[in-house]
Amino acid sequence: EVQLVESGGGLVQPGGSLRLSCAASGFTFSSYWMSWVRQAPGKGLEWVANIKQDGSEKYYVDSVKGRFTISRDNAKNSLYLQMNSLRAEDTAVYYCARVSIGLHLDYWGQGTLVTVSS
Amino acid sequence: DIQMTQSPSSLSASVGDRVTITCRASQGIRNDLGWYQQKPGKAPKRLIYAASSLQSGVPSRFSGSGSGTEFTLTISSLQPEDFATYYCLQHNSYPLLTFGGGTKVEIK
Repeated sequence: EVQLVESGGGLVQPGGSLRLSCAASGFTFSSYWMSWVRQAPGKGLEWVANIKQDGSEKYYVDSVKGRFTISRDNAKNSLYLQMNSLRAEDTAVYYCARVSIGLHLDYWGQGTLVTVSS
Repeated sequence: DIQMTQSPSSLSASVGDRVTITCRASQGIRNDLGWYQQKPGKAPKRLIYAASSLQSGVPSRFSGSGSGTEFTLTISSLQPEDFATYYCLQHNSYPLLTFGGGTKVEIK
C-alpha cells in the first residue's frame, strides 16, 4: 500500500525557516517524480514544487523561487521541502504527492500545517 | 503560464441532481487534465485522468470530457457522499502544474 506521511509543520515567525519531510513507503520511491502542493486556510490547491527521480531537476511556482528548496533522499525514501524567508502568505497545509507515470498526482499524504505568524 | 479557470466556484444541488463543472485552459492542453475531489480536512483524491479516464474504484456516475481548452466534470446523479470541493489540474506544461480555483458542491 502506497503511503506518504508528512511531518515538520508548525508555527514559525515571519522571516524564519522550516523543513518539511515526507516519508514514502509501499512503492519504489526512486522511480517517481514527487511534488509538494499547498492549501492556504479556506483556499484552493496550489502546486509548489516538483523533483525528478534522481534529484537532478527541480521546478518551483514563481512565488517560492529563491526561498524554498525541494530535495530527496532515495536511500531513505524521503522527500523534503526547505522553506526559508517565510511569509504570512506561506501559511498553509502542505501535501506531498507522487507523480504518476501519466503525470497525475495519484497518491497524497495527509498534509502538515505550516503557520507563519508573529 | 497556463491558467485554469474553473466554474462555478460553488453550487447548491440536491441528491439525485445532475451536476456539471467546467474548467477552461488559457491555451490548448490536449487532454492533459485531471479532476480531484477534496472533502474537508482530507487530502484530494483523484477521480479522472487524461480528461475522461475514470480512476479505478471511482463510481461510474462521475465522468469527464473535453479536449483542448474546455473540460467538464459531470456527476450524473449526485449522492450524499459527493458533497465536496472539486479541482481540475493541468499537466500539459509539466513539470509546471496548475490547479483550477475549485468548485464547492453544497447541499440544497
